[in-house]
Parts: sequence; C-alpha cells; structure tokens
Amino acid sequence: DAKTTQPPSMDCAEGRAANLPCNHSTISGNEYVYWYRQIHSQGPQYIIHGLKNNETNEMASLIITEDRKSSTLILPHATLRDTAVYYCIVKGGSEKLVFGKGTKLTVNP
Amino acid sequence: GAVVSQHPSWVICKSGTSVKIECRSLDFQATTMFWYRQFPKQSLMLMATSNEGSKATYEQGVEKDKFLINHASLTLSTLTVTSAHPEDSSFYICSAPGQGYVETQYFGPGTRLLVL
Repeated sequence: DAKTTQPPSMDCAEGRAANLPCNHSTISGNEYVYWYRQIHSQGPQYIIHGLKNNETNEMASLIITEDRKSSTLILPHATLRDTAVYYCIVKGGSEKLVFGKGTKLTVNP
Repeated sequence: GAVVSQHPSWVICKSGTSVKIECRSLDFQATTMFWYRQFPKQSLMLMATSNEGSKATYEQGVEKDKFLINHASLTLSTLTVTSAHPEDSSFYICSAPGQGYVETQYFGPGTRLLVL
C-alpha cells in the first residue's frame, strides 16, 4: 500500500508556480521522499528526491517539513508540458517503488 | 541520463496468442528490472521483479505462469504474456534502478497491448 496521501487533482496557471503537497505521516527515519511524474501515455519520469533537507534541481524544488511528515513539490514556472500525474513515493533504499494514485496537475494557458 | 527502451511500443494480438515485450537498459547495466502494468485511469501496479541470472519474483496475485519473465543479460529483460486474453489488454512499463544506495528508477516508454 502507498504510504502517502495526495490531492487527486490540482490546477495551475501557465507561468505560475505549482505547489503539490504530499502527506507521509508514517515515514520512518531511513525512508526517502521521491517524486515522479507521468505524462499521458508515457513511462514515469524521475523528478527529485530528499531525506530531510530541502532539495532543488533543474526541474523542481522539494520542501520537506522539519518533522518529515509532509512535503511539497514546487514547479517554479509551470508550463503546459508540465501537465501530468505527479506521484509522491516514500521508500527505503532497497525497497520497491509503490505508486499511489498521485495528483493530476493540469496547467492552463 | 540513463535510458530504458521498450519494444514494441504497441501491439495488437488475437486472444490465445503469446506476446513478448522487451525492456533494455541502453547505457547502463541492470541486474534488476521491474515490470508494471497500468490500466486506463489507474496507477501503476508492480507485477514482478526481474533478476539477472535467477528467477523473477512476482507480486501477490500475479500469475507467474501467465507472465513469463526472463532476464537474459545485464541489459535485457523480457515479459511474455502467454495465452493472452482481452483482460490482459493494458499498458506495460518496465524500469531499472540507477546506481548507489538511494536509487532512482529509470522507466521505459511503455508498451500498449490490445488483445482482441
């Protein structure tokens, strides 16, 4: 079973920041938070991951709360091509990826 | 970055036939690969873990005799859907992990199977 809770859908205006929340209240100390996304009819794509510190890469930023029970994925300037289902996944290093239902993000022009 | 390919990208077959799907890691080696299935408007469901040189391990409820997995080399895993039926129609996706303790997964583009 997925260890995370995400809103089923969100909308965002093109050019604005998209902030996608994720709750993972049962996360354990050795588990990381991963974000993947799946554009329609394609394989998932890795976005970012983190343990407890905030992380940033060329795609997004990941903000993890101090108690690690929730996190937010930030797409700073959303484009139409960012329309996808975004999956927040918690797992330890050797565990398998288990996908929940994710958040369907729609970026509107 | 690491690239995973799948072949074919889509296939249509008659009920009762078998279909083989290939998953290749193009620029890295993978001793382990994963096979997922995704029905329309649903999330990915892990089917099995493919292990190079040994038997695959299947998730609960997945018929190992129906979904044959062979991990023949460090860059190739195959999934064969035997005696396919219309209910096997789905989007099949493979993935391979990157290196290091904190592994990220690299996914193939998926294979869409339609069984008539």
